[in-house]
Amino acid sequence: DAGVTQSPTHLIKTRGQQVTLRCSPISGHKSVSWYQQVLGQGPQFIFQYYEKEERGRGNFPDRFSARQFPNYSSELNVNALLLGDSALYLCASSLSGNMGSGNTIYFGEGSWLTVV
Amino acid sequence: AQSVTQLGSHVSVSEGALVLLRCNYSSSVPPYLFWYVQYPNQGLQLLLKYTSAATLVKGINGFEAEFKKSETSFHLTKPSAHMSDAAEYFCAVIPSGGYQKVTFGTGTKLQVIP
Repeated sequence: DAGVTQSPTHLIKTRGQQVTLRCSPISGHKSVSWYQQVLGQGPQFIFQYYEKEERGRGNFPDRFSARQFPNYSSELNVNALLLGDSALYLCASSLSGNMGSGNTIYFGEGSWLTVV
Repeated sequence: AQSVTQLGSHVSVSEGALVLLRCNYSSSVPPYLFWYVQYPNQGLQLLLKYTSAATLVKGINGFEAEFKKSETSFHLTKPSAHMSDAAEYFCAVIPSGGYQKVTFGTGTKLQVIP
């Protein structure tokens, strides 16, 4: 079975532009989360979606938004890009929205965003 | 808020030596704890997880971790390091209950010296 897949793998944007990153969860998984990993740091939580509803939001500005589609795939949108948004954006999926029943969170390979 | 502290941003061991990566968590209620590994320019791979079923957790690639409530620790060990173990390791926590907000430590880069 395919793991968590993300696209694009690499992209370069200019300050002020907008970007959309895409994520397909593991088949059967209904929860998708997004994380930002700046070079040299650990990943930081941005959003979790479960059954197309936002379950949680991290400490990120409103320029960051996301949604989950009926097929459970997800998009992360970032508007008015800043140089500081340059990072690896990771998507993660799991079966359900909480940690019960031995739920496991699986990460994709990420999308590298460079803002120039 | 839940947090994890990883002691040592860089750890060097000789090939064949014991690997010990330290992680302490802050919580009055035992949370869910994880170790992830990240190879250069790649995503995160789950090594192992603690979900209160057993205090000694065995993971992939010969790694294991022991949950010690009295010490609020979840250290990662491997008896014999291989060159292929060179990577960055993240300890992570999710509080019991609530949604899946994973809080990661700052990471420990493991160097294996031949």
